[in-house]
Amino acid sequence: DAKTTQPPSMDCAEGRAANLPCNHSTISGNEYVYWYRQIHSQGPQYIIHGLKNNETNEMASLIITEDRKSSTLILPHATLRDTAVYYCIVRPRKAAGNKLTFGGGTRVLVKP
Amino acid sequence: ETGVTQTPRHLVMGMTNKKSLKCEQHLGHNAMYWYKQSAKKPLELMFVYSLEERVENNSVPSRFSPECPNSSHLFLHLHTLQPEDSALYLCASSQEGTLLDTQYFGPGTRLTVL
Repeated sequence: DAKTTQPPSMDCAEGRAANLPCNHSTISGNEYVYWYRQIHSQGPQYIIHGLKNNETNEMASLIITEDRKSSTLILPHATLRDTAVYYCIVRPRKAAGNKLTFGGGTRVLVKP
Repeated sequence: ETGVTQTPRHLVMGMTNKKSLKCEQHLGHNAMYWYKQSAKKPLELMFVYSLEERVENNSVPSRFSPECPNSSHLFLHLHTLQPEDSALYLCASSQEGTLLDTQYFGPGTRLTVL
């Protein structure tokens, strides 16, 4: 599976948009970009995923560059409850055994 | 609530004990997973079950023994663990073979081995 690179940490202000970058320059054509987050002492929570088009749901937006070598997760109005570690994961979709390979993620601290 | 429950939430055991972790998913999924999260380390995949068959075993020591009796239940049997096995153990499930085969995680079991 392709490797991802994320900044180790970032702060953002409550109520402002949080833009979380992820580099995945070795991504291959059949690999999707997934984002999860893990709030302290809880299990990871799925946020969003995409292949090449931008995606939006009730939690966030995912912007994937045209060459697919990087992406940005956007939390449109960050709240204190969005403080968590955010993981960008790239993986193909197989018939069985679709494992997730977690890296270090970005530790996001939302400040009042 | 994600639809994946884990019991117990906390467990303290000695190195000679035998215990089991339980995971149950209420989502109708056909795949289940065990992950391990040690302090200051990324999550590590341990086992994958798809349609109740183990499809992946990531070089996990034999003192960890998984069991998947049906598509809704997953166990992790523990025996003669070491202190370095202390970690958060997370269970997840997904519906494979669909367009949205995302994994849903339980809250985890915090294991301490004395």
